[in-house]
Amino acid sequence: EPEVTQTPSHQVTQMGQEVILRCVPISNHLYFYWYRQILGQKVEFLVSFYNNEISEKSEIFDDQFSVERPDGSNFTLKIRSTKLEDSAMYFCATQWGQGANTEAFFGQGTRLTVV
Amino acid sequence: DQQVKQNSPSLSVQEGRISILNCDYTNSMFDYFLWYKKYPAEGPTFLISISSIKDKNEDGRFTVFLNKSAKHLSLHIVPSQPGDSAVYFCAASDPDKLIFGTGTRLQVFP
Repeated sequence: EPEVTQTPSHQVTQMGQEVILRCVPISNHLYFYWYRQILGQKVEFLVSFYNNEISEKSEIFDDQFSVERPDGSNFTLKIRSTKLEDSAMYFCATQWGQGANTEAFFGQGTRLTVV
Repeated sequence: DQQVKQNSPSLSVQEGRISILNCDYTNSMFDYFLWYKKYPAEGPTFLISISSIKDKNEDGRFTVFLNKSAKHLSLHIVPSQPGDSAVYFCAASDPDKLIFGTGTRLQVFP
């Protein structure tokens, strides 16, 4: 069964450092997303990406965050200068379409720990 | 502003019995709802969905009911199995993103 793959599974970084989280989407999917889950809280939307541009972003997704799909396969989330509060599980999700009868498939997540 | 709410943080059910997980939403424009199951250290896994044009959708042991007038949906698992023990998230399609509830931890005991 096709799956979304995320690397690394766990990243520890010092506050102020840049991190890049990577995702390999399911091959025929067109819509890409990043979500995050702070420990003990709900899964929150960060950003959606379609046709090589951001479709929508949340208030969380400020200027420290960026996304790109540089080589047509990997979908990346970059955090330029990490803060302690960026510590969370980050999930990549992909869909072939939008709206009814299209579900998002999630990767296994990257646990980001900022120290 | 919680648009999707799961008011029961946990539920404990005996194996073989019915598990009922509830979800409420506030935005009447939502027209597609999904349930995801999540094990520790894994990503959410899609379980079942329902469109607002239906009031019920069934898939094996899983049935989702939608009451639009009450802005309420529920997931029924019959019969419950120990492998169903996980956190269950209700989500609404916005439609360009999913809005999740806070989750209900289901424990199925023998």
